[in-house]
Amino acid sequence: GQQLNQSPQSMFIQEGEDVSMNCTSSSIFNTWLWYKQDPGEGPVLLIALYKAGELTSNGRLTAQFGITRKDSFLNISASIPSDVGIYFCAGQLETSGSRLTFGEGTQLTVNP
Amino acid sequence: GAVVSQHPSWVICKSGTSVKIECRSLDFQATTMFWYRQFPKQSLMLMATSNEGSKATYEQGVEKDKFLINHASLTLSTLTVTSAHPEDSSFYICSARDAGWGANVLTFGAGSRLTVL
Repeated sequence: GQQLNQSPQSMFIQEGEDVSMNCTSSSIFNTWLWYKQDPGEGPVLLIALYKAGELTSNGRLTAQFGITRKDSFLNISASIPSDVGIYFCAGQLETSGSRLTFGEGTQLTVNP
Repeated sequence: GAVVSQHPSWVICKSGTSVKIECRSLDFQATTMFWYRQFPKQSLMLMATSNEGSKATYEQGVEKDKFLINHASLTLSTLTVTSAHPEDSSFYICSARDAGWGANVLTFGAGSRLTVL
C-alpha cells in the first residue's frame, strides 16, 4: 500500500502565485522524484533528487530532498495556466531497486 | 530523452474477452519494466515488475493468472488482461528505467485506458 503522504490534495491559485507541495514518509528513501500528470497521459518526470539535503531546480520548479531522507518538497514559482495538472511525488526505498512508491498526488488548478 | 510507447492508448472490450497492451522502449533497452494501474482520481499502484527473459514479479493482491506479463525482448513488455470484467476498467501505465537519466529514474508511457463493458 501507499507509504507516502502528499499534501495538499488540491490547490486553487491565481496565475503568478507561487505553489508549494510536500511529501513525507515513515521510511527512508534513497531517491525522490517529482512527476506531473496531465489528464489521460502518463506521468512526466520533473525533477530527480539523489542526495539528502539536495536542492535542485528545473526552470520555475525547485525541489529538495529532506535531510532526514523521509521528506521532499516541490515549489513552483510564478505559476502559469499550463502548470495545471496532478503532481506526484515518488520515492524509492533503499532495497527496492527501481520500484517506485507514489504519493496520493496534488491537483493544481491555476486561474488566469 | 528516453521514450516509452504504449499501444493501444485506449481500448473498449466486452466482458469476458482478453486484451493485450504493449509497452515499448523506443530508444533504449530496458531489462526491467513496471506496470501500474490508476483508477480515477487516485494515485498509481504498482501491479508487477516485468523482467526480460524471466517471470514477472507481482505485487501482493495482483492475480498473476489474470494479468499475464511477457517481457520477451529488451524493448517490449506486454500485459494481457484475461477474461476482463468491468472492475478491470482502469488506466494502465508502464514504465522503464533508462540508465541515462540516473540511477533509478523511470520514464512512463502515455498509458492505456481500458473500458470493459
